[in-house]
Amino acid sequence: EPEVTQTPSHQVTQMGQEVILRCVPISNHLYFYWYRQILGQKVEFLVSFYNNEISEKSEIFDDQFSVERPDGSNFTLKIRSTKLEDSAMYFCASSEVGGPDTQYFGPGTRLTVL
Amino acid sequence: QKEVEQNSGPLSVPEGAIASLNCTYSDRGSQSFFWYRQYSGKSPELIMFIYSNGDKEDGRFTAQLNKASQYVSLLIRDSQPSDSATYLCAVNSGGSNYKLTFGKGTLLTVNP
Repeated sequence: EPEVTQTPSHQVTQMGQEVILRCVPISNHLYFYWYRQILGQKVEFLVSFYNNEISEKSEIFDDQFSVERPDGSNFTLKIRSTKLEDSAMYFCASSEVGGPDTQYFGPGTRLTVL
Repeated sequence: QKEVEQNSGPLSVPEGAIASLNCTYSDRGSQSFFWYRQYSGKSPELIMFIYSNGDKEDGRFTAQLNKASQYVSLLIRDSQPSDSATYLCAVNSGGSNYKLTFGKGTLLTVNP
């Protein structure tokens, strides 16, 4: 069964460093998403992406965040200058179509900022 | 602010019983509703989705939606210890809105 994959599974970085989290969405899906979950808290929407541009972003997704689809398979989330409060699980998701369609989640990347 | 509310639990049921999980949402225009299961330290795993008022059954799981009451529920019949997890309710407002809004989740424990 097709699934969303994410690398790395765990990333440790120093405050102020840049990190890139990588995702390979399900191959026939066209809409891609990033969510994060701080330990013990809700899953929160960050951004959605379609046709090589951002469709929607939350207020969390400020100038330190960016997304890119550098090739036909990868979808990346870059955090330019990490802060302690960026420590969280980051989940990539994809859906075949947008709007109310079902989103399938990858296994997540645990980001720890020291 | 669009909100999704769930009883955080924990909800404890004996093996073989019916577990009932509830969720309310604030955005009356919401169009699609999802139940995800999340084991500790893992990602959300889709259990069911429902778009229309009424019941939708899939194996041991039944989702119920009442848009007038802004209420969605998940029933798990013949609960198994492997069902022990946090159950997340997620809502999408539809149209050009792409994001899922999640509740905090209800922790379910099924006791052997």
